[in-house]
Amino acid sequence: NAGVTQTPKFQVLKTGQSMTLQCAQDMNHEYMSWYRQDPGMGLRLIHYSVGAGITDQGEVPNGYNVSRSTTEDFPLRLLSAAPSQTSVYFCASSSLIRDRGPLYEQYFGPGTRLTVT
Amino acid sequence: GEDVEQSLFLSVREGDSSVINCTYTDSSSTYLYWYKQEPGAGLQLLTYIFSNMDMKQDQRLTVLLNKKDKHLSLRIADTQTGDSAIYFCAEKEDSSYKLIFGSGTRLLVRP
Repeated sequence: NAGVTQTPKFQVLKTGQSMTLQCAQDMNHEYMSWYRQDPGMGLRLIHYSVGAGITDQGEVPNGYNVSRSTTEDFPLRLLSAAPSQTSVYFCASSSLIRDRGPLYEQYFGPGTRLTVT
Repeated sequence: GEDVEQSLFLSVREGDSSVINCTYTDSSSTYLYWYKQEPGAGLQLLTYIFSNMDMKQDQRLTVLLNKKDKHLSLRIADTQTGDSAIYFCAEKEDSSYKLIFGSGTRLLVRP
């Protein structure tokens, strides 16, 4: 049971390039989400999904796309990278079923540190 | 909209107690959480409290909730150098699956 995995750990992009950050979980969680973490601003929700085929926008969705074709995977796409997207990106998942434990405990991946030059 | 606020920094001496405070705005919050982030790592759930509770104790951790003032605190007894980390308060409102995180409090434990 690997929990939540993210790849890559580090990435440097040039302005205008596109890339996909990968996220996978093996806990059969319905809910998955992407956050970005910037100094002094905590975690801000980018996009989230409550199940395969269902996604919705969070607080800061502009410049990012997501899809959820399987329960396990939730990739985040940067369409045309900008320096303002330099950040640490975290993927998280949780169960939406009450009897699986503390309701909505989110399990986090180790993060992807992205620099856009 | 929802907002969760925390002070940014706290420094304590090893062996003292630490108290990290958080205020939130959403009165419909049903669960409130404390997450810990160690350097270079993701967040891990430390503890949580249901909104119908005033206090929860878990070994060295005590969570206090004042619903009237929308104030949440985390007390760490006998703080150790391994407790140095960033601590995030988060709330989940009743009608949403989303968590709203505060900006995090960086705890530094001095030997």
